[in-house]
Amino acid sequence: GQQLNQSPQSMFIQEGEDVSMNCTSSSIFNTWLWYKQDPGEGPVLLIALYKAGELTSNGRLTAQFGITRKDSFLNISASIPSDVGIYFCAGRFQGGSEKLVFGKGTKLTVNP
Amino acid sequence: EPEVTQTPSHQVTQMGQEVILRCVPISNHLYFYWYRQILGQKVEFLVSFYNNEISEKSEIFDDQFSVERPDGSNFTLKIRSTKLEDSAMYFCASSEEGRVQPQHFGDGTRLSIL
Repeated sequence: GQQLNQSPQSMFIQEGEDVSMNCTSSSIFNTWLWYKQDPGEGPVLLIALYKAGELTSNGRLTAQFGITRKDSFLNISASIPSDVGIYFCAGRFQGGSEKLVFGKGTKLTVNP
Repeated sequence: EPEVTQTPSHQVTQMGQEVILRCVPISNHLYFYWYRQILGQKVEFLVSFYNNEISEKSEIFDDQFSVERPDGSNFTLKIRSTKLEDSAMYFCASSEEGRVQPQHFGDGTRLSIL
């Protein structure tokens, strides 16, 4: 079905550590997006991916669109306290749908 | 940087009443969306809107819901006869193009049904 499996559900790390999270699906995507949500706010776009194999960076963040088009990962290097929040993957399924399907999120806690 | 704005930030309504949630999408965007997020859960698609008509909707978006672009800047979501389970954050989003360009989200309206 049209589900995204995002893992891990939560992470507790020390400031300066690197972080990795990923999303997988049994369906093929034509777009992967990574968002960050702070408490009481809407999702903020971090990185957008459009092609299988694409690797894109945004500062300390790097994301990749899996070769099979069924997965994506997000890495954060040298984490800082302001990285705290919930990270969501979202994607558009192959077939022309406009809607974004979201993962359940990864809650990141960074200890200073 | 242009952003999507939503009002009100918090709406408290008695069960059975009608509510209208308002959004001002980014000015050059042509595609508009509503999503909801029940507390602690993932963001769920409700509806997409382009060229003054609904282009796609989810099974959640039943006859209780409607959307409208009443003028050149606003985009609204109306919920008729609200139910307790309608309590959620409602996010408006917009994009330049529907099938490729990313969607940009507002900060949401927290709807509380009593």
